[in-house]
Amino acid sequence: GDSVTQMEGPVTLSEEAFLTINCTYTATGYPSLFWYVQYPGEGLQLLLKATKADDKGSNKGFEATYRKETTSFHLEKGSVQVSDSAVYFCALTDRGTGNQFYFGTGTSLTVIP
Amino acid sequence: GAVVSQHPSRVICKSGTSVKIECRSLDFQATTMFWYRQFPKQSLMLMATSNEGSKATYEQGVEKDKFLINHASLTLSTLTVTSAHPEDSSFYICSATSPYSGDVLTFGAGSRLTVL
Repeated sequence: GDSVTQMEGPVTLSEEAFLTINCTYTATGYPSLFWYVQYPGEGLQLLLKATKADDKGSNKGFEATYRKETTSFHLEKGSVQVSDSAVYFCALTDRGTGNQFYFGTGTSLTVIP
Repeated sequence: GAVVSQHPSRVICKSGTSVKIECRSLDFQATTMFWYRQFPKQSLMLMATSNEGSKATYEQGVEKDKFLINHASLTLSTLTVTSAHPEDSSFYICSATSPYSGDVLTFGAGSRLTVL
């Protein structure tokens, strides 16, 4: 079945450091891939998405490229800020399996000044 | 963009009582809504999928008589935790999709339930 495997945290970085959070997926159909962010005490917000192979999603300095050959969708940011501290979830929805969403376990990021 | 409002954001209740959580789509019609439960520092656990006008589909292991879901209109779904116990304390999050939002899942802000 479909699944998402996400790099375990927690991750602690200094401000302006480079961020990578790894995400790989398994899908039987034609997945769309997402990164959601959850700030403390809040629900999830869509950060970025990509709907087909080689698409790059980007938002707020974050980027992720849909790599079909490696079944990956790694999240990157060149220079993190304290305000980026949150939990990041990789997710997929698969049109081949009725559009159900599958989430990774989440990666907690703390950015220290 | 699409907005999902969830209420209440926090609720404290006594053991044995029932609690209702509302999830509303404010600017779009939500044909499908999802209810998740999140334990501390853990991922989201899908509890059930509700489709407007029909019975909810519950995930394996979720007690449908305990977690009552009603999706009576295209803008409102409710989750009622019946006879709540301390182990039901958790963060509950709803989300919604519609044919007009493509495959994007829009989340509510979540409801923190504490059962004493």
